[in-house]
Amino acid sequence: GIQVEQSPPDLILQEGANSTLRCNFSDSVNNLQWFHQNPWGQLINLFYIPSGTKQNGRLSATTVATERYSLLYISSSQTTDSGVYFCAAAKAAGNKLTFGGGTRVLVKP
Amino acid sequence: NAGVTQTPKFRVLKTGQSMTLLCAQDMNHEYMYWYRQDPGMGLRLIHYSVGEGTTAKGEVPDGYNVSRLKKQNFLLGLESAAPSQTSVYFCASTTGTPETQYFGPGTRLLVL
Repeated sequence: GIQVEQSPPDLILQEGANSTLRCNFSDSVNNLQWFHQNPWGQLINLFYIPSGTKQNGRLSATTVATERYSLLYISSSQTTDSGVYFCAAAKAAGNKLTFGGGTRVLVKP
Repeated sequence: NAGVTQTPKFRVLKTGQSMTLLCAQDMNHEYMYWYRQDPGMGLRLIHYSVGEGTTAKGEVPDGYNVSRLKKQNFLLGLESAAPSQTSVYFCASTTGTPETQYFGPGTRLLVL
């Protein structure tokens, strides 16, 4: 099956800083999603982005499908951005997502 | 729309007991999924369904059974719970085309 790797595993930011999270995947995909898991364990959809670029407020994402990676940008980070960010990809019929190991983000005030 | 809901939110079982987790969605989605998340890890697919009356195995299906008798519901059963099944269980649903998967709030299961 497809392999999904995320980097860095941990990130500590000062409030207001910008950061980039990376997701590499081992095969062509027809689904690529980014999630934020908040400290209460809830999974929040951020982006569905199998290719191209999208923006939502202070967050944006870019997927370069031909090079098999996706980037999540956090600008002007806030303490509420803390949590774990997951990338997940699917490559075949059934839309079965394979999750990466996540990037744990801590934003300090 | 309630989206994807899961019942119960939290449960404690003794080794060998059985239980059923219920997932319900009101978005008329064809595809439904059960994932588990162990501490410090990403989610892994247990079983999934591509339509009413169908089920298929995912990455970690052993020890679990599922049923999709109604389009809006997807049940996950543990026949004889083991401590290794202590985890957080997430249900998700989506339309039949590659698209955003929508996740429920999760069920925390502790097996003693």
